[in-house]
Amino acid sequence: DAGVTQSPTHLIKTRGQHVTLRCSPISGHKSVSWYQQVLGQGPQFIFQYYEKEERGRGNFPDRFSARQFPNYSSELNVNALLLGDSALYLCASSLRGLDYEQYFGPGTRLTVT
Amino acid sequence: KNEVEQSPQNLTAQEGEFITINCSYSVGISALHWLQQHPGGGIVSLFMLSSGKKKHGRLIATINIQEKHSSLHITASHPRDSAVYICAVSNTGNQFYFGTGTSLTVIP
Repeated sequence: DAGVTQSPTHLIKTRGQHVTLRCSPISGHKSVSWYQQVLGQGPQFIFQYYEKEERGRGNFPDRFSARQFPNYSSELNVNALLLGDSALYLCASSLRGLDYEQYFGPGTRLTVT
Repeated sequence: KNEVEQSPQNLTAQEGEFITINCSYSVGISALHWLQQHPGGGIVSLFMLSSGKKKHGRLIATINIQEKHSSLHITASHPRDSAVYICAVSNTGNQFYFGTGTSLTVIP
């Protein structure tokens, strides 16, 4: 069975630009969550979606938004990029939510210059 | 103050040693997760537990809900166990809090 997939693998953007990151969950999983991991630090929770609705949000500015589609895939959008947004963005899927085992994707490495 | 605290931050062990990583949390939780992250970023879920004890091969995870504490034990450690081990909790408010991680190096 295919695991969680994320695209793109790597991305370089300029300050002020917008970026869209994509995540496809494991088949049968209805929950997707997003995390930011700055180099040398632990991950931080950004969003969790279940059945196409936002169910949890971490302490991130409104420049960060996400959505989940009817096929349970998800997009993370970041507007007005800052240098500090440079990080590994991880997506995880689970059957129903954060209280279920999380299956992580390989991540998207975003560099903002 | 972090909602999830781990200790030690760094750990070096000889192959074959018994290893313990500790995790304390300050929030009410729905579940506690132990994760493993290798260099390069990939994260793998090792355990998810809300009570008691779980065992997978050489790994054992325990949780004490009353004391808000969990431990991850590795028996007969091996160099391939070298990784960052992260404790994380999900709470009833649909938040997910991560500990700072424990970097483990097992020397042959």
